[in-house]
Amino acid sequence: QSALTQPASVSGSPGQSITISCTGTSSDVGGYNFVSWYQQHPGKAPKIIIYEVTNRPPWVSHRFSGSKSGNTASLTISGLQTEDEADYFCSSYTTSSTYVFATGTKVTVL
Amino acid sequence: QITLKESGPTLVKPTQTLTLTCTFSGFSLSTSGVGVGWIRQPPGKAPEWLALIFWDDEKRYSPSLNNRLTITTDTSKNQVVLRLTDMDPVDTATYFCAHRPAYSYGFWNWGQGTLVTVSS
Repeated sequence: QSALTQPASVSGSPGQSITISCTGTSSDVGGYNFVSWYQQHPGKAPKIIIYEVTNRPPWVSHRFSGSKSGNTASLTISGLQTEDEADYFCSSYTTSSTYVFATGTKVTVL
Repeated sequence: QITLKESGPTLVKPTQTLTLTCTFSGFSLSTSGVGVGWIRQPPGKAPEWLALIFWDDEKRYSPSLNNRLTITTDTSKNQVVLRLTDMDPVDTATYFCAHRPAYSYGFWNWGQGTLVTVSS
C-alpha cells in the first residue's frame, strides 16, 4: 500500500481559512469513512483532531473540520491561529484491515 | 486518564532484532473493540503504521514489513511488545505506540515515542 498524498506545505495569515487535501484510493480513503487527521508540533507525538472523516474529539476546537469526496479527504482550519502552526497528517483504515498514513503537510501561519 | 509509554533500546546494530515494549494504563486491552498499535516516524518524515493488536489477540501488520514484525500482548502487565527483525539504518525512527478505542478507528492516545537509531 502506498502512502496517502498531501501537499507538502500550506500557509495562511491569522484569521484566514486553509484546506489540506489527503488523496488515496478506493482501497483506503474512498473505501470507508475511517479517515483521521492528526496535528503534530515539533518534538511531540501526534494528536488526533478529526476521526471518522468529520468528527471532532470533545477537546478539539470547532475551527477544525473534515470532509471527504471520493478518494480525497480534506481538513479545513478556520480562523487560523499562530498555535495552529504544525505538521498535519491524515490516516485511513484500509479494505485490507490495515492502516496507511499520509506524507504530511506543514502549516505555516504567516 | 489514558497513558502509554514506549521503552527499549535507543541504539541497535544492523541485522539485530529490535524489541520495544509499550506499557499502558487507563484502559484494558481485554475490553471488546480496543486495540494498541505501533507507528514509527523517521526523522523529518511522515509516520508509518506498523502493526495493531486487538482485545481478542487478532493482529494486523503493515504489508511492507509483515515478514519482519511480531506484535504480542501481556494483558496481565498491561503491555504490548513489538519485535522487528533484521534492523537496517533505514529503520531509524521514533517509534510510537497508540491506543485505538472501541468506538473509533483512529488512534486517540499516543505515547511520547522512543527514538531508535540503527548503526554499527
